[in-house]
Amino acid sequence: AQSVTQPDIHITVSEGASLELRCNYSYGATPYLFWYVQSPGQGLQLLLKYFSGDTLVQGIKGFEAEFKRSQSSFNLRKPSVHWSDAAEYFCAVGGGATNKLIFGTGTLLAVQP
Amino acid sequence: GAGVSQTPSNKVTEKGKYVELRCDPISGHTALYWYRQSLGQGPEFLIYFQGTGAADDSGLPNDRFFAVRPEGSVSTLKIQRTERGDSAVYLCASSNTTLGSPLHFGNGTRLTVT
Repeated sequence: AQSVTQPDIHITVSEGASLELRCNYSYGATPYLFWYVQSPGQGLQLLLKYFSGDTLVQGIKGFEAEFKRSQSSFNLRKPSVHWSDAAEYFCAVGGGATNKLIFGTGTLLAVQP
Repeated sequence: GAGVSQTPSNKVTEKGKYVELRCDPISGHTALYWYRQSLGQGPEFLIYFQGTGAADDSGLPNDRFFAVRPEGSVSTLKIQRTERGDSAVYLCASSNTTLGSPLHFGNGTRLTVT
């Protein structure tokens, strides 16, 4: 079955520290992978996506993610976190004829001053 | 440009009542999706439209839920005989049909059933 696991429900980091949010997926075919961010009262905003090619993808707001097929992972990283990065982050996998996405349960990021 | 628009942003209704939630997708996007997001959870797929037809409704939880998209643009999600368990944020997204195209989400409708 297709699924996405985000093992960390809540993470707190200090402003300026590096960040890594974990994502593991299970998908029967070649996956398309996405990271979305959701701020309070806002819709989901696309951070970055992986379709094929270079396994390290760059996104908006200084985020990047690395696709590791052998580990079925697509972890999100940022070298230096800003207070405005506090939000909930969702990993998603998609593909197939409908392009529908399957989301993980999210990781809530808090940033300490 | 204009994004996905959902109305109302908030809806409070009594148990047993009927509600309609509206989604206006990005112009030119033929694919439209409805998701439901409960507190502390990721978005859960409900239904997918390609043009006017529901190509995948496997996520609708039961027959109280129904969605239409009569002209291939605006979509309405309809919930009959609402239950308290239907309380959630209902998200709409649209995309073009290119394989792997990202979904563009609206801000959602927060439905509260009292």
